[in-house]
Amino acid sequence: EAQVTQNPRYLITVTGKKLTVTCSQNMNHEYMSWYRQDPGLGLRQIYYSMNVEVTDKGDVPEGYKVSRKEKRNFPLILESPSPNQTSLYFCASSFDGTGPFYGYTFGSGTRLTVV
Amino acid sequence: AQKVTQAQTEISVVEKEDVTLDCVYETRDTTYYLFWYKQPPSGELVFLIRRNSFDEQNEISGRYSWNFQKSTSSFNFTITASQVVDSAVYFCALSDVSGAGSYQLTFGKGTKLSVIP
Repeated sequence: EAQVTQNPRYLITVTGKKLTVTCSQNMNHEYMSWYRQDPGLGLRQIYYSMNVEVTDKGDVPEGYKVSRKEKRNFPLILESPSPNQTSLYFCASSFDGTGPFYGYTFGSGTRLTVV
Repeated sequence: AQKVTQAQTEISVVEKEDVTLDCVYETRDTTYYLFWYKQPPSGELVFLIRRNSFDEQNEISGRYSWNFQKSTSSFNFTITASQVVDSAVYFCALSDVSGAGSYQLTFGKGTKLSVIP
């Protein structure tokens, strides 16, 4: 089944403890992206990647890191999480390397709480 | 700049009523796509429809219908005979070319629909 898999679905952590949210897609998609969703703010893009070793900042990159060493994987790294990073996170992929012109396949989401 | 406005933050209807969710967009491109996604309480994003800028035909899928009007830059979504299972947050989105020359997807802030039994 074609899908984007995020793990974990739920995560509670403490301030300052490094964490990684994994994202993997099995569709050979070129473009991958991370979004966060907050009440009243909708979905905002954190980082995106047009291909292996090509990543760029989205609208809200502060406090996050990403890497794209393999085409299928695009992990989101929080080196020192803070409570304002408590959010619902979505990974998404699109077959067109220039971006999601035709839309995304979304992962199921990761609900992160930082205390 | 690209922008998607969903003016209705929350809507409540009684079951079996019809409801329309509004979406207004801004883009300088002549070629673009419009989308609607549903987010049920479980949190995942469910794709509903994609429409390209050259196809202004209205679309109907069961109880769902979409009205695309380029003249008013709107892409409204109507649910006929609403059901409790329609309770969700609905997002409208626009894909077009960003300032950097790549494509981007811009989301509205969502409309929370509550259908009361």
